[in-house]
Amino acid sequence: ILNVEQSPQSLHVQEGDSTNFTCSFPSSNFYALHWYRWETAKSPEALFVMTLNGDEKKKGRISATLNTKEGYSYLYIKGSQPEDSATYLCAFMGYNNNDMRFGAGTRLTVKP
Amino acid sequence: DVKVTQSSRYLVKRTGEKVFLECVQDMDHENMFWYRQDPGLGLRLIYFSYDVKMKEKGDIPEGYSVSREKKERFSLILESASTNQTSMYLCASSRRGDGELFFGEGSRLTVL
Repeated sequence: ILNVEQSPQSLHVQEGDSTNFTCSFPSSNFYALHWYRWETAKSPEALFVMTLNGDEKKKGRISATLNTKEGYSYLYIKGSQPEDSATYLCAFMGYNNNDMRFGAGTRLTVKP
Repeated sequence: DVKVTQSSRYLVKRTGEKVFLECVQDMDHENMFWYRQDPGLGLRLIYFSYDVKMKEKGDIPEGYSVSREKKERFSLILESASTNQTSMYLCASSRRGDGELFFGEGSRLTVL
């Protein structure tokens, strides 16, 4: 079983705070790393698909970095808003596999 | 609008019953996945399929089987439901390669 770990498990911040989460994954046999946002009562939706070491991606106030050599990715949210409240999942894909393995997620709550 | 459709949002079954969970995607994706989601454990991969009639075990296949007779449809079967299979089941599909996952809305199964 591939170990994909996320920290922290949960996070409570005030509106306007910036925050970040970590995803660690096996550094060997890397093919892709995905980030998803999962809001309550909805389906998970993709934020980023990252494949290259050193990759940085941005979507509005959310950005992500990737280090495949050491096996970690960071997700940053700048100026958190209540609508950012969700569970953020990362998923690892190995080179010879078509499967995706998820971490347990980081549950973010942004208080107004 | 791309779509992954799961047949039932909520099901209540009795121990020992045979349960079918159906998933259909309209994006001509090669890969399809079944996950279950339990509090604190994130998404755990049950089975996946990368082509018609092909299937691969995920991390927790025990007690489940799958069927992929057509490209657009991936079924999860619980031959004899047990209470520990009470969970949220999520189906997803993706293109071959590093393609992002598209998820269905989930099926919440309760086994009494």
